[in-house]
Amino acid sequence: DGGITQSPKYLFRKEGQNVTLSCEQNLNHDAMYWYRQDPGQGLRLIYYSQIVNDFQKGDIAEGYSVSREKKESFPLTVTSAQKNPTAFYLCASSAGQGGNQPQHFGDGTRLSIL
Amino acid sequence: SQKIEQNSEALNIQEGKTATLTCNYTNYSPAYLQWYRQDPGRGPVFLLLIRENEKEKRKERLKVTFDTTLKQSLFHITASQPADSATYLCAMTTDSWGKLQFGAGTQVVVTP
Repeated sequence: DGGITQSPKYLFRKEGQNVTLSCEQNLNHDAMYWYRQDPGQGLRLIYYSQIVNDFQKGDIAEGYSVSREKKESFPLTVTSAQKNPTAFYLCASSAGQGGNQPQHFGDGTRLSIL
Repeated sequence: SQKIEQNSEALNIQEGKTATLTCNYTNYSPAYLQWYRQDPGRGPVFLLLIRENEKEKRKERLKVTFDTTLKQSLFHITASQPADSATYLCAMTTDSWGKLQFGAGTQVVVTP
């Protein structure tokens, strides 16, 4: 089955620690995205990538970093600079850029602070 | 910037009735508007897309309308079933790249 796999499902971060969230897709999609979802708020875009070895900051990139070394993979690192990291993180992909492309989502990683 | 408003109160509806959700936006008219379904603890799932020059789109029991004059999209679930209980998100493209902006969603609860 084609889809997006996020891991782990739950993650705990200690003070001063960087953590990395995994996102893998086998849909052969060019574009990939990371969103953050907080209760009562819409999804907010952290980073996006239109092609391998290229990525752009979204609306709330501070305290996060990404890489796109392979088409299938788009890991997100939540750094210690992100002071309020507790949230539900969603990875998505689409066949191309443009608002006429539906996005396919993984089932998320819930990050909490220890 | 674009503000997207969806009713934050849950919509409670009896099985078999039609559920109608609203998505209002404040500034520029989006080129594309999408609707997603999200179940608790899961990622959103794409349902329907409507273009700015389309008035209505249907898929099985789902219907979306788009009124650029009212700056509003309506999402209808006809003959609703308990399995339709979920949160429904609207999203729209407001720039040429196609970056999506999402509303906070409206929860629908269908009771037997």
